[in-house]
Amino acid sequence: QVQLQESGPGLVKPSQTLSLTCTVSGGSISSDSYYWSWIRQPAGEGLEWIGRMFPSGSPKYNPSLKSRVTISRDTSKNQFSLKLSSVTAADTAVYYCAREYYYDSGGYYYRIFDYWGQGTLVTVSS
Amino acid sequence: DIQMTQAPSSLSASVGDRVTITCRASQNIKNYLNWYQQKSGKAPKVLIYAASSLQSGVPSRFSGSGSGTDFTLTISGLQPEDFATYYCQQSYSTPLFTFGPGTKVEIK
Repeated sequence: QVQLQESGPGLVKPSQTLSLTCTVSGGSISSDSYYWSWIRQPAGEGLEWIGRMFPSGSPKYNPSLKSRVTISRDTSKNQFSLKLSSVTAADTAVYYCAREYYYDSGGYYYRIFDYWGQGTLVTVSS
Repeated sequence: DIQMTQAPSSLSASVGDRVTITCRASQNIKNYLNWYQQKSGKAPKVLIYAASSLQSGVPSRFSGSGSGTDFTLTISGLQPEDFATYYCQQSYSTPLFTFGPGTKVEIK
């Protein structure tokens, strides 16, 4: 059973960098079969995809956050990480890490987020 | 970006009711549409992928339909554990995934 667990500070000061780590168990982030994403959800609001990494190739980011986001991986620890710089109160949210799986239907790839971490609340406040 | 809208934003229903939630995309996304259920304080759970395919382990009372820009999630025979918020999500413009604003299903 795949499990994901987010960890990191729950409080970050404005203008500083938010740093979170997702530890994966029951599966390898080095597998070519999956992507690994970060998604966030402000309180009472909807979900926003932040970005994803793949074992090979460069990470991909949401253009709305691209200038501030970095996603990296530590395969020796089976972890991937999120850094979001220059944070403001608008970045206060529950942050989830998730596995992206795809169904191959005759060459058409249907992608879903099938495993998620429990989420971690990050508050941006002085 | 592909924008997703949902209707209604919330609804009240009774156990046993048939519930329908709609999702609209701002452009043609073929059938690259997923549905998720999120209970309070929990991560979302995928219910439907490719607009109408039931994810493994999901009860058959959940069904999805639609293609192009208009989609529907139906719960046939609402159960107490189905009270939650439901989100649609497009995967057409991978990797720029976008979600709908959600529909909260409450107990009448």
